[in-house]
Amino acid sequence: QVQLQQWGAGLLKPSETLSLTCTVYGRSFSGFYWSWVRQSPGKGLEWIVEISHSGSTRYNPSLQSRVTISLDTSKTQFSLWLSSVTAADTAVYYCAMVDTAMVPNDYWGQGTLVTVSS
Amino acid sequence: DIQMTQSPSSLSASVGDRVTITCRASQGISNDLAWFQQKPGKAPQALIYHASSLRSGVPSKFSGSGSGTDFTLTISSLQPEDFATYYCQQYNTYPLTFGGGTKVELK
Repeated sequence: QVQLQQWGAGLLKPSETLSLTCTVYGRSFSGFYWSWVRQSPGKGLEWIVEISHSGSTRYNPSLQSRVTISLDTSKTQFSLWLSSVTAADTAVYYCAMVDTAMVPNDYWGQGTLVTVSS
Repeated sequence: DIQMTQSPSSLSASVGDRVTITCRASQGISNDLAWFQQKPGKAPQALIYHASSLRSGVPSKFSGSGSGTDFTLTISSLQPEDFATYYCQQYNTYPLTFGGGTKVELK
């Protein structure tokens, strides 16, 4: 049973850096794509960034200048940093991973509500 | 960016109804389209990849079709557990983009 457990600070002030980590349990850490997706309150889904099993990274251009993603295979964790946050970054942030099967299997964290407020 | 437009944005239906949701891409994406279901307070979960291939464990009442720019998700007989919001996502071109969602509510 694959589980993704995510954590990080839920309340930030403007200009601070958002930091979230997702730990993967129950599955080998190879052969996946790892992503972060966010959802503003009452709104739809926005893809933020993806890192592949080969280390290739893809960013949403709207956030690229502020986003960093990293992978720690020894800890089966991946992390997101988003710098210089504003109220517009208030959202539920989800970590997700997708395997490379012919019909992929996706796994998601439970979501973390991050609120940016002074 | 490729824009994904879903319609309708919401619909009311009864248990047992057949429901169809459409998704249109602003440019051709071959069959690089996924459908997700999201229930309140929960993470999305994929139902379909490659426009029409059911993810493992997804019941066959869900089906998808389409290629190029126009896609549909059909639920053949709506059950209480299917009341949720559905999103399409294209993965043909980065950045990956989602449709705005279709909320399926009980009539």
